[in-house]
Amino acid sequence: KAGVTQTPRYLIKTRGQQVTLSCSPISGHRSVSWYQQTPGQGLQFLFEYFSETQRNKGNFPGRFSGRQFSNSRSEMNVSTLELGDSALYLCASNGPDNEQFFGPGTRLTVL
Amino acid sequence: EDQVTQSPEALRLQEGESSSLNCSYTVSGLRGLFWYRQDPGKGPEFLFTLYSAGEEKEKERLKATLTKKESFLHITAPKPEDSATYLCAVQARTGGFKTIFGAGTRLFVKA
Repeated sequence: KAGVTQTPRYLIKTRGQQVTLSCSPISGHRSVSWYQQTPGQGLQFLFEYFSETQRNKGNFPGRFSGRQFSNSRSEMNVSTLELGDSALYLCASNGPDNEQFFGPGTRLTVL
Repeated sequence: EDQVTQSPEALRLQEGESSSLNCSYTVSGLRGLFWYRQDPGKGPEFLFTLYSAGEEKEKERLKATLTKKESFLHITAPKPEDSATYLCAVQARTGGFKTIFGAGTRLFVKA
């Protein structure tokens, strides 16, 4: 069974730009969650999608958005990038027993 | 507000020296408490789910236990390959897959 894939793995952007990250969950999983991980704040919940609908949202500004497609693949977008957005962005494929299977992450650096 | 606190922040052990990691939590109606392992540069790897006080789960040298206020991850006779960051997380019954993570315990096992 293939795991969670995230693309790209590394990304360098400058302040003010926008970025789109992609995640393909485990086959059969219909729910995807996104997290931001930084050394100072740890893992913080961004949002969760289930069957193309956002079901939960964390405490992040509106610059952070996401969507899910009918094949369960998900994208997250960050507009007007700030230096503080530099982080590891993790996608999790949500399993039937509430466990989460994480991808390798996308390392975003904002210069 | 749902919260997870892990201690210690870091733990250094000799190979074979057993110890425990602590996770204290407050959540409005626990759906599940989760333990993950994270290696540098990788996404967290699912270890255990605990649902109710008194529950225990084991996997190789790891054993997780749960009370109404905290969880312990016991590591018996650790090996250097057990070195990693161990993350504790909780989900509330009404929060979908919104998961609150602790800051983690960095474990170093020396041969």
